Amino acid sequence: GAGVSQSPSNKVTEKGKDVELRCDPISGHTALYWYRQSLGQGLEFLIYFQGNSAPDKSGLPSDRFSAERTGGSVSTLTIQRTQQEDSAVYLCASSLPGGGYYGYTFGSGTRLTVV
Amino acid sequence: KQEVTQIPAALSVPEGENLVLNCSFTDSAIYNLQWFRQDPGKGLTSLLLIQSSQREQTSGRLNASLDKSSGRSTLYIAASQPGDSATYLCAGRDSGGYQKVTFGTGTKLQVIP
Repeated sequence: GAGVSQSPSNKVTEKGKDVELRCDPISGHTALYWYRQSLGQGLEFLIYFQGNSAPDKSGLPSDRFSAERTGGSVSTLTIQRTQQEDSAVYLCASSLPGGGYYGYTFGSGTRLTVV
Repeated sequence: KQEVTQIPAALSVPEGENLVLNCSFTDSAIYNLQWFRQDPGKGLTSLLLIQSSQREQTSGRLNASLDKSSGRSTLYIAASQPGDSATYLCAGRDSGGYQKVTFGTGTKLQVIP
């Protein structure tokens, strides 16, 4: 596609429910990143994919968070048993091969609200 | 560990003024630095990307510079307009084998008509 696509754009869920957030990167972008931005805060790194592998998942806040990527394309971030502190905007970015030489393209994000 | 700082956190200027946003980073072995803008409730839009071998990049009214030795990057906005009102973020990509990017906390800019 022309840009990084994220869905849904908004998600309201009840505390304790599981949610899945989807990221569809730009075609040909082998690197994919998930970030979280809480209200008034900076971007918090969650996980990085190179192809289908995740060399760095050190930013995942707890074992309730997991992510996968299939076919070197679409990625899904899953949050189990959601808590109110999970409320944030979840941003996905992708980049071309070349170690980020060409910079990063971000999606519009998914705004998650846990009530 | 790379740390990126942006000062000021917020800035308010009258329309037409030229302004400079600052970004400081702790690890001078930086691979590249990218400036983004973020509008309320939106994702990040890339503005300029400076490679470590470059000193500056220009796009329209925007000019970004990179000084690795001092650990600083600046984003210069000429003749500011109300439409420039947004949060501006800088992000440094580390030079290690892993493509980790560290973001600053941003400068929220308001341009007053």
